[in-house]
Formats: sequence, structure tokens, C-alpha cells
Amino acid sequence: GAGVSQSPSNKVTEKGKDVELRCDPISGHTALYWYRQRLGQGLEFLIYFQGNSAPDKSGLPSDRFSAERTGESVSTLTIQRTQQEDSAVYLCASSSGQGSYGYTFGSGTRLTVV
Amino acid sequence: DAKTTQPTSMDCAEGRAANLPCNHSTISGNEYVYWYRQIHSQGPQYIIHGLKNNETNEMASLIITEDRKSSTLILPHATLRDTAVYYCIVRVYSGAGSYQLTFGKGTKLSVIP
Repeated sequence: GAGVSQSPSNKVTEKGKDVELRCDPISGHTALYWYRQRLGQGLEFLIYFQGNSAPDKSGLPSDRFSAERTGESVSTLTIQRTQQEDSAVYLCASSSGQGSYGYTFGSGTRLTVV
Repeated sequence: DAKTTQPTSMDCAEGRAANLPCNHSTISGNEYVYWYRQIHSQGPQYIIHGLKNNETNEMASLIITEDRKSSTLILPHATLRDTAVYYCIVRVYSGAGSYQLTFGKGTKLSVIP
């Protein structure tokens, strides 16, 4: 597609439920990032995928968070047993490589845990 | 550690140049400076990036000091649609082929009619 696509755009879930967020990167982009942005705050790095290399999971806040990516295509971010502090906008970005390229962000998924 | 320092907010008159400063005094020789902006309720938008030379594109110009410890993003003719939070980011190599963009709090630019 022309840009990074994220779905759903909005998600309201009950505390304790699991949620799955999806990111479709730009075709051919080998690098994919997940970020979290709480209301009024900056972006927090969560996880990074580069091609078939092992992902950089150093930003995941707890073991309730996990992400997968199949090859260089779709990625899913899963949050298990959601808590109210998980409420945030979850942003995905993709890039064409490890060089000095720009990173294209999606519009994000706004997650609200009630 | 965002590695950058920016003013919290700035105002600019519509039609005038907006000059947004950023300090990155601990930048390493191979680390790039990126600028992004975020308009309310949207994902960050890439503006420009550079290593040590000044850069210009259709959106903006990036001026990097010779010692690379600071830079300035210039929007030559600011419009109301340029009102946004502007992030200055140093892209850091975090090992094993992984690069990270670490976002700070950015500068809230308000373009005034």
C-alpha cells in the first residue's frame, strides 16, 4: 500500500482481556517498529524487527506484551491481561533499511482499557 | 535517554520563518539527526534528516553546526497547518543491526495568524 496501515484505529477493551493490534508496513520495507504514546507524552520504543534477524525486544514493558512479524510483512502486537495503564496510542513505523532512511509511521491504534 | 534538548514551546507568525533549535551535545560521529512532527491525533511525520551537512527538501531546511552539537530546523514560510509538536531525534545504533529513534517531548510550535 501507499502507507503504513494500522488496525483497528480504535479499540476499547475491558481490563483483563487480551488485545491484538495489527500493522501493515509499506511493501518492501524490511524494518518495522512499534511505539507507545500515552496521552500528552512522547513516544516510547517497544520493539523492532529487521528482516529475518531476531527482534530487538528491549522496550517491551512487561511479559504481557509480545509481537510477531512474518518475514517482511504484517506484524501483530499482542497485549495479554490488559491493565488500565496500557491505555495509549500504539504506533507502528516501517523503514526501507538500516541506512539513513526516514521512518514512515501509521496513524496508530488508540487503545482504551476500561 | 533522548539525547536531545528542545524548548517546550514556540510561537511563530504565519508567513514568517520558524526556526526550531535542538541541542544534541553528546552525539556521536556516526549518529544522524532526524526531525519529525506530530499533528494532533496523527502519527509522526518525517520531515528531514542529516549527518553533518546542511540539508534542504520541499518541507524544510536543516542546519547542523560544525561541531554537530546542535541543529536548527527551518520552516521557511510557516502556515497554520504547520502547528504541531516537532521532535528532534538522534538515531542511535543499539547493537545487532538495530537502530532506534528515541523521542523526547519535542517543541510545541504554534503558528499564529
